[in-house]
Amino acid sequence: KAGVTQTPRYLIKTRGQQVTLSCSPISGHRSVSWYQQTPGQGLQFLFEYFSETQRNKGNFPGRFSGRQFSNSRSEMNVSTLELGDSALYLCASSATGGRGNEQFFGPGTRLTVL
Amino acid sequence: GQQLNQSPQSMFIQEGEDVSMNCTSSSIFNTWLWYKQDPGEGPVLLIALYKAGELTSNGRLTAQFGITRKDSFLNISASIPSDVGIYFCAGQPNQAGTALIFGKGTTLSVSS
Repeated sequence: KAGVTQTPRYLIKTRGQQVTLSCSPISGHRSVSWYQQTPGQGLQFLFEYFSETQRNKGNFPGRFSGRQFSNSRSEMNVSTLELGDSALYLCASSATGGRGNEQFFGPGTRLTVL
Repeated sequence: GQQLNQSPQSMFIQEGEDVSMNCTSSSIFNTWLWYKQDPGEGPVLLIALYKAGELTSNGRLTAQFGITRKDSFLNISASIPSDVGIYFCAGQPNQAGTALIFGKGTTLSVSS
């Protein structure tokens, strides 16, 4: 089974721009979660999608948004980029997302905001 | 918000030594997970724990879910150079659904 894939792997943007990141979960998995990883704050939960619905949301501003498609692929969007948005963005998939369902991570998208 | 305290922050050991790291929380978790992350890659799941008191092994790795449900530890026996990396604990609180809360990580260095 193929693992979680994320595209692109690297991205450079300037302040004020917007960016869209993509995640394809493991085949058959229906839950996709997004995390932001920075040296200072570590891994922080952004949001989780299940069956095309946002089911859970972390404590991030509204500039961070996402969606999930019927094939479970997910995208996250960051609008009006700030320097502090530079981070590794990770997506994780699990079968149903409920208790007892392990989350498997993709390789991440490294976003640099200049 | 909920936080996990992971220690130690870093470890420098000789090949062949055993390693122990742990995570504690002020809150109860229903699931504890241990991940390893190599530079430039996403975290890889090592061990998942679902019951208080549970002890689970994966090769040279052993992890335990604390009885109080507020802590977990990971042991690595007979370390080898490829064990180098950052180890993260993650807890899943029942109320938050699938959202994982991560520790800050333990950076392991192994010298041969």
